[in-house]
Amino acid sequence: GESVGLHLPTLSVQEGDNSIINCAYSNSASDYFIWYKQESGKGPQFIIDIRSNMDKRQGQRVTVLLNKTVKHLSLQIAATQPGDSAVYFCAESKFQFYFGTGTSLTVIP
Amino acid sequence: DTAVSQTPKYLVTQMGNDKSIKCEQNLGHDTMYWYKQDSKKFLKIMFSYNNKELIINETVPNRFSPKSPDKAHLNLHINSLELGDSAVYFCASSTQGSDTQYFGPGTRLTVL
Repeated sequence: GESVGLHLPTLSVQEGDNSIINCAYSNSASDYFIWYKQESGKGPQFIIDIRSNMDKRQGQRVTVLLNKTVKHLSLQIAATQPGDSAVYFCAESKFQFYFGTGTSLTVIP
Repeated sequence: DTAVSQTPKYLVTQMGNDKSIKCEQNLGHDTMYWYKQDSKKFLKIMFSYNNKELIINETVPNRFSPKSPDKAHLNLHINSLELGDSAVYFCASSTQGSDTQYFGPGTRLTVL
């Protein structure tokens, strides 16, 4: 299978600060990437996606950056709030999805 | 109404037993999936069904069998449960032409 990994398993940020969650992927043929958020006791929830023909995509308070040269994906959360505390997964896809291990984000009030 | 639902939410059983987890989606999606999430939060796809046909079958033991009575349901049957089967199992669905998957709340399976 593909290898999708995250650089940091845990991340703590102060409320109001910006958060950056990183992800490395191994399949250069992957053409679609998704970030999911999983709150405790719940299933993963779609946050934002990006296709390989783009470098950046913005949503509400979130931005995904894709660097195909180094096969790196990042999720930026602006003005992090306590409700952002969760585990974040990146997933890559060519014909099927492969999920990374996940980064646990803790927001300190 | 819940988009993707699973029952039961918790399942505790003895080794060697046979159990089933049910999944239903009311989104009108045509593809459904089963994922296994281990204690380290790693999500691995097990199966997916599109129009009642199995299109992905990862290297899972044949003790696991998905069954789809109709497009809105994909149940997971597990025979001869083992300790290593303990995990959280997620059902998900998506529609043709969209890669976004919608996940259910998960079923926490504990094998004693």
